[in-house]
Amino acid sequence: QVQLLQSGAEVKKPGASVKISCQASGYAFSGYYMHWVRQAPGQGPEWMGRINPGSGGSTYALKFQGRVTMTRDASTSTFYMEMSGLTSEDTAMYYCARPRNSGFDFWGQGTLVRVS
Amino acid sequence: SYELTQPPSVSVSPGQTAIITCSGDQLGNKYSCWYQQKPGQSPLLVINQDTERPSGIPERFSGSNSGNTATLTISGTQTLDEADYFCQTWDSNTAIFGGGTKLTVL
Repeated sequence: QVQLLQSGAEVKKPGASVKISCQASGYAFSGYYMHWVRQAPGQGPEWMGRINPGSGGSTYALKFQGRVTMTRDASTSTFYMEMSGLTSEDTAMYYCARPRNSGFDFWGQGTLVRVS
Repeated sequence: SYELTQPPSVSVSPGQTAIITCSGDQLGNKYSCWYQQKPGQSPLLVINQDTERPSGIPERFSGSNSGNTATLTISGTQTLDEADYFCQTWDSNTAIFGGGTKLTVL
C-alpha cells in the first residue's frame, strides 16, 4: 500500500532553515511527481510546489520562490523540502502529497514546524 | 491571484443532506476536488475531477461543478462526517485551496 512517511516535528529560531523528509513506498517512485503543501493552524492548505522524481526539476509557488528547495534521493525513495529564512508565519504543518489527476490522493502524516 | 471562497460553517441534522459550496471565477471551466479533514489527521480526498469518488469513499459523497460554483453534497449525513472540508483547483499551474468549511452534524 502507498505510504508517505515524513520526518518528525521541528522547532526552529527565526532566520533558521528547516529540511523535512518524505519517504515514499508502495508505488513506483519515478511514476509520480511529489508535491508539498503546508497548513497553518486554523487555515486552509497552501500549495508550495512540486518536484519531478525523474529529472529532479521543481516548480515552486511564487510566494516561496527563492526560499524553498525541493530535492529527491531516488536510492532511498525520499523527497526533501528545505525552507530558509523562517519566520513565525512559517509555523505550520507541512505535508508531502502524491497527485492523482487534479487532486492529491495520498498524503504524508505531516511534519509540524514551529518557529519561535 | 485566483481565490476559492467557502462558507465558514455548515450545520446539518443526521440523515439529512449537507451541501457545501466553493466559489471561484469561472470555476466550472476548471476541475475541482474536495478533501475531508478531521482533527489531527491529514486531508482525505473525497471527490476528484469534479465528480469522481476515489476508492473507499462512500456513495453518499458526490460533487458537481458549473459556472462559478463547485458543490460537495453529502446525502444521509452521518455523525462521522463531521469534519472540515476544503475545495481545491488548479490555476496557472498552481494548486489553489479554499479556506475550508466546518461541517457540524447535530
